Amino acid sequence: EPEVTQTPSHQVTQMGQEVILRCVPISNHLYFYWYRQILGQKVEFLVSFYNNEISEKSEIFDDQFSVERPDGSNFTLKIRSTKLEDSAMYFCASSGDSNEQFFGPGTRLTVL
Amino acid sequence: AQSVTQLGSHVSVSEGALVLLRCNYSSSVPPYLFWYVQYPNQGLQLLLKYTSAATLVKGINGFEAEFKKSETSFHLTKPSAHMSDAAEYFCAVSTDGSSNTGKLIFGQGTTLQVKP
Repeated sequence: EPEVTQTPSHQVTQMGQEVILRCVPISNHLYFYWYRQILGQKVEFLVSFYNNEISEKSEIFDDQFSVERPDGSNFTLKIRSTKLEDSAMYFCASSGDSNEQFFGPGTRLTVL
Repeated sequence: AQSVTQLGSHVSVSEGALVLLRCNYSSSVPPYLFWYVQYPNQGLQLLLKYTSAATLVKGINGFEAEFKKSETSFHLTKPSAHMSDAAEYFCAVSTDGSSNTGKLIFGQGTTLQVKP
């Protein structure tokens, strides 16, 4: 069964460093999303992406964040200069013809 | 604006007992509603979804949910809990269910504990 994959599963970084979180969506899907979940809080929408451009972004998704689909398979989230409050579980999701979003297992980002 | 409230951050039931996880939503447009389950160290898996068809929706693993517009609720039930049902459950509403660009707004989540 096709699934969304994410790497790495856990990323530890120093405050101020850049991180790139990687996702491989389901191969025939065209809509991509990033969400995050700070420990103990609800899952929050960050950004949606379609046709090589951002469809919608939340107020969390400021200039420090960017997304890219560098090739036909990967979908990345970059945080340019990480802050302590960026520590969270980041989930990638994709959807195809239906409005069901399929989620990856997440990347736990720890900023020290 | 859409929002979701899950009543009870932690629910504990005995194996074989009824599971009831509560979800209330707020939406200015006809909502598309979802229940996701998250097992430890795994991603979010869709249990079931309501997309304006039948109000009683059946999902995987014996779960079902009923959409009640008058109560703005979408509670998740299962007649008989199994130990393997222990997980975190999230209710979510789509901001634009008719298209794939709609983001999901999640509730706080409910941790289900199943006691032997």
